[in-house]
Amino acid sequence: GENVEQHPSTLSVQEGDSAVIKCTYSDSASNYFPWYKQELGKRPQLIIDIRSNVGEKKDQRIAVTLNKTAKHFSLHITETQPEDSAVYFCAASWGLGGGADGLTFGKGTHLIIQP
Amino acid sequence: EAGVAQSPRYKIIEKRQSVAFWCNPISGHATLYWYQQILGQGPKLLIQFQNNGVVDDSQLPKDRFSAERLKGVDSTLKIQPAKLEDSAVYLCASSFMRDDQQFFGPGTRLTVL
Repeated sequence: GENVEQHPSTLSVQEGDSAVIKCTYSDSASNYFPWYKQELGKRPQLIIDIRSNVGEKKDQRIAVTLNKTAKHFSLHITETQPEDSAVYFCAASWGLGGGADGLTFGKGTHLIIQP
Repeated sequence: EAGVAQSPRYKIIEKRQSVAFWCNPISGHATLYWYQQILGQGPKLLIQFQNNGVVDDSQLPKDRFSAERLKGVDSTLKIQPAKLEDSAVYLCASSFMRDDQQFFGPGTRLTVL
């Protein structure tokens, strides 16, 4: 089955600086890669996603890049703000590649924005 | 648009007892997922339904966990008997169709004593 590794487990940055979180996946058949933000005691919320036919996607301060050859994808947050503090999860799935499409999640990155 | 609803929000039981969780997906969403999130970890898929059929239950501990989605709408997840290691948040998610964005419910926090 799919295995997703996520690094770092904790990331502390100064407000206004950029943050980068990296994930690798094992199954070359995976073709859908979402990122979720989870605040303490809350449900995971999708912040951005990317499919395997795209190398990069951007939404305001958030961007995701995908390298299918190397089987890794990254989340980039620019101009970080206090409200960006949360746990971020990457995930991967087969989509409609022929298998089931439940998500396999990484272990999460606790992002701390220092004022 | 109403979100995914789950109940109860919290449940405390003794080990070896039974417990059931309920999920109501977003109206019109054909695909429904149950995930288990242990403290400090990412969610882990337990089971996926497409309408009222099971697509994937390979990670469901079938000796104690069961789930159903009668009529292809609401779903229940049951644990019988519960073990200490079942303490977790149980998240329900739904999507309009397979390979679509998944929306998560608020979760049920289960504590097994």
